[in-house]
Amino acid sequence: GQNIDQPTEMTATEGAIVQINCTYQTSGFNGLFWYQQHAGEAPTFLSYNVLDGLEEKGRFSSFLSRSKGYSYLLLKELQMKDSASYLCAVLDSNYQLIWGAGTKLIIKP
Amino acid sequence: SQTIHQWPATLVQPVGSPLSLECTVEGTSNPNLYWYRQAAGRGLQLLFYSVGIGQISSEVPQNLSASRPQDRQFILSSKKLLLSDSGFYLCAWRDRGLDTGELFFGEGSRLTVL
Repeated sequence: GQNIDQPTEMTATEGAIVQINCTYQTSGFNGLFWYQQHAGEAPTFLSYNVLDGLEEKGRFSSFLSRSKGYSYLLLKELQMKDSASYLCAVLDSNYQLIWGAGTKLIIKP
Repeated sequence: SQTIHQWPATLVQPVGSPLSLECTVEGTSNPNLYWYRQAAGRGLQLLFYSVGIGQISSEVPQNLSASRPQDRQFILSSKKLLLSDSGFYLCAWRDRGLDTGELFFGEGSRLTVL
């Protein structure tokens, strides 16, 4: 079967750095997405990785290792507005998105 | 620029009543359209997707149905709602031919079935 695993909840302090991990087992791989979803709102796109390595975009970076079936989202200089759920999703061999359950990130002052 | 809207945003319906959620996309042509459901603490579940007018693919057997009467309109329906249909419903679109493209989501519709 296809499976995406990410922690259910994480807590971090304002101004700090947090890393949210995602491991996957899917039938084929055509890329990995990270989305941010604030409570009661729709997900918004953060990043897309298809090759191994680190993609940096401002305070957010995303890393991929295809051989390990592993990705992480790194958030730097955390702000209160970063409190949200972070969804990991993999494009399988049929170009269908397989979604993780999301990681709820709580930022404390 | 492209926009996507879905409505209603919130609805409370009794068991056995019908449902109609509507989604429209502006600023793009021939999009791929999707309906997802998100239950609390769970990942997004793909319900239906469409690659063109009248073309609907169902991913999960259920008492829901979808229709695409126009290129940029996608409707989710039910004739008789069940308690288990409660959840957060999301419409989304992606550029056709861009299989690795990002999904753009509508605002979401929260359905409570009592």
